[in-house]
Amino acid sequence: DGGITQSPKYLFRKEGQNVTLSCEQNLNHDAMYWYRQDPGQGLRLIYYSQIVNDFQKGDIAEGYSVSREKKESFPLTVTSAQKNPTAFYLCASSIRSGGAIYEQYFGPGTRLTVT
Amino acid sequence: DQQVKQNSPSLSVQEGRISILNCDYTNSMFDYFLWYKKYPAEGPTFLISISSIKDKNEDGRFTVFLNKSAKHLSLHIVPSQPGDSAVYFCAAIGIQGAQKLVFGQGTRLTINP
Repeated sequence: DGGITQSPKYLFRKEGQNVTLSCEQNLNHDAMYWYRQDPGQGLRLIYYSQIVNDFQKGDIAEGYSVSREKKESFPLTVTSAQKNPTAFYLCASSIRSGGAIYEQYFGPGTRLTVT
Repeated sequence: DQQVKQNSPSLSVQEGRISILNCDYTNSMFDYFLWYKKYPAEGPTFLISISSIKDKNEDGRFTVFLNKSAKHLSLHIVPSQPGDSAVYFCAAIGIQGAQKLVFGQGTRLTINP
């Protein structure tokens, strides 16, 4: 089955620790994205990558880092510099955005709680 | 600066009636619009989209209308079913430029039996 997987579903960390969220896709999509959702708010873009070994900051990149060493994988690290890390994190992928289709396909999400 | 706005945080509709969800945008460079449906603790799923060269797109019970002059789009669901209860996000993208999806805040739709 083709799709996007995120692991784990729930993650708990102590304040001051870095944590890495996993995102893997087998859809052969070029572009991948990380979003954050907070209660009562829409999805806010953290980072995105349109091609391997390249990525750009989204609207709220401070305190986060990413890598894109493989087409299938786009891990997100939430660093201790992120002031409000507790949130629901969503990974998405799409056919390269220069193409004719703009639908993004989302993973199931990871709920991160930092105490 | 909220470029895509869904001004109704929630909407309650009786089963079998029409649900109308609204979305406004401010950026005239947006030329492709999408609606996503999201259940709690799950990722959003793509529902329907519309290009700016059209003013209507229909897929089964779902129809999206676009009014470019008013910078407004709406999603109609008819007839509404209990399984339609979810949060609906509209999103917009400009084909030129950064090509990033911009999401609205979402509207929680509740279908009452």
